[in-house]
Amino acid sequence: NAGVTQTPKFQVLKTGQSMTLQCAQDMNHNSMYWYRQDPGMGLRLIYYSASEGTTDKGEVPNGYNVSRLNKREFSLRLESAAPSQTSVYFCASGETQYFGPGTRLLVL
Amino acid sequence: DQQVKQNSPSLSVQEGRISILNCDYTNSMFDYFLWYKKYPAEGPTFLISISSIKDKNEDGRFTVFLNKSAKHLSLHIVPSQPGDSAVYFCAARRGNGNKLVFGAGTILRVKS
Repeated sequence: NAGVTQTPKFQVLKTGQSMTLQCAQDMNHNSMYWYRQDPGMGLRLIYYSASEGTTDKGEVPNGYNVSRLNKREFSLRLESAAPSQTSVYFCASGETQYFGPGTRLLVL
Repeated sequence: DQQVKQNSPSLSVQEGRISILNCDYTNSMFDYFLWYKKYPAEGPTFLISISSIKDKNEDGRFTVFLNKSAKHLSLHIVPSQPGDSAVYFCAARRGNGNKLVFGAGTILRVKS
């Protein structure tokens, strides 16, 4: 029982490059979330999926897209990375929100 | 507009003493509150929660108090241990929706 897993753990991108952050959960949760954490800002919700087949914008969705591939997987895509997207990204699932270990992203 | 505020960026406490972490909120529609603990290079983990119908919830060394009229909640850790050193996030949600609004976090250092 791995809980919530995220890949990759760390990534460096150049401005304009694209990438997809992967998240999977094995707890049979309906809801899944993507957050970013920046110093002094706490955790801010980017997108969430209340159930398989649905996605909704959170507080800071600009520059991101998501896909709820199935009940287990929820991916976050950066189409054209910008330095302002340098952050730590956390995926979470479930009502109480079990978090993954995070992805550190650096955009140069 | 920060709906959930943790005004103390950091707190330092001696081992064995009480740690009190504070959180204020502005949205009176919030009816469920949670605390999370985060160690460096790890994801946050759920610690304790409280519904707005209660004013206190206790779990071992951790107690959360809710003062709805003041829109204030606090997390008490007694006794504090060095392993409690972490960042603590307060979060709130409204109704049955699962979206949480997080505070900026408070760094707790417990000195031995």
